[in-house]
Amino acid sequence: DSGVTQTPKHLITATGQRVTLRCSPRSGDLSVYWYQQSLDQGLQFLIQYYNGEERAKGNILERFSAQQFPDLHSELNLSSLELGDSALYFCASSPSGADTQYFGPGTRLTVL
Amino acid sequence: GQNIDQPTEMTATEGAIVQINCTYQTSGFNGLFWYQQHAGEAPTFLSYNVLDGLEEKGRFSSFLSRSKGYSYLLLKELQMKDSASYLCAVRDNYGQNFVFGPGTRLSVLP
Repeated sequence: DSGVTQTPKHLITATGQRVTLRCSPRSGDLSVYWYQQSLDQGLQFLIQYYNGEERAKGNILERFSAQQFPDLHSELNLSSLELGDSALYFCASSPSGADTQYFGPGTRLTVL
Repeated sequence: GQNIDQPTEMTATEGAIVQINCTYQTSGFNGLFWYQQHAGEAPTFLSYNVLDGLEEKGRFSSFLSRSKGYSYLLLKELQMKDSASYLCAVRDNYGQNFVFGPGTRLSVLP
């Protein structure tokens, strides 16, 4: 158990819908990362937050957005969902934003 | 640009030693990480190299050559539970971004 929690564990929805994935980092960690992992691709970095501020942006689509709240938990919002958005979404946290990342168990999103 | 290469698949026998290579070309370098990921599970941290040389941690060792843009993960006394994907990741020069390689799927056979 890494200490990072993600909810929900599974999510099934339809194309065109909007969903929110939630992540709580390890106690004391200030940085949160979001990744997407689909069957045919490796881990794709989406976005990083550090202490509430956006720190780095990777291959995140415009239909996706994220934020980190004052209590340091983070949410990833996915809208206008497409079949290709079906994937495992991982959240990871680290103490300072430049350290080893500890991954949560992931949210498996299925878009039908 | 950022590019990390790893072999797609490897097979080894229980009790043997296997070396998984990783080559990288990134816009900067501030550390290299190895993660293990079992199918359907989250990646877990294995090792970290920022200086050239070998880091040993039990049955796992990791080597880095910054001048060659090269690292390897060495797994000794292989066990069936080591069957997993092994991900190489590089932290960029600004320390803000992590780039992951495609992963190497290792199968350990009895």
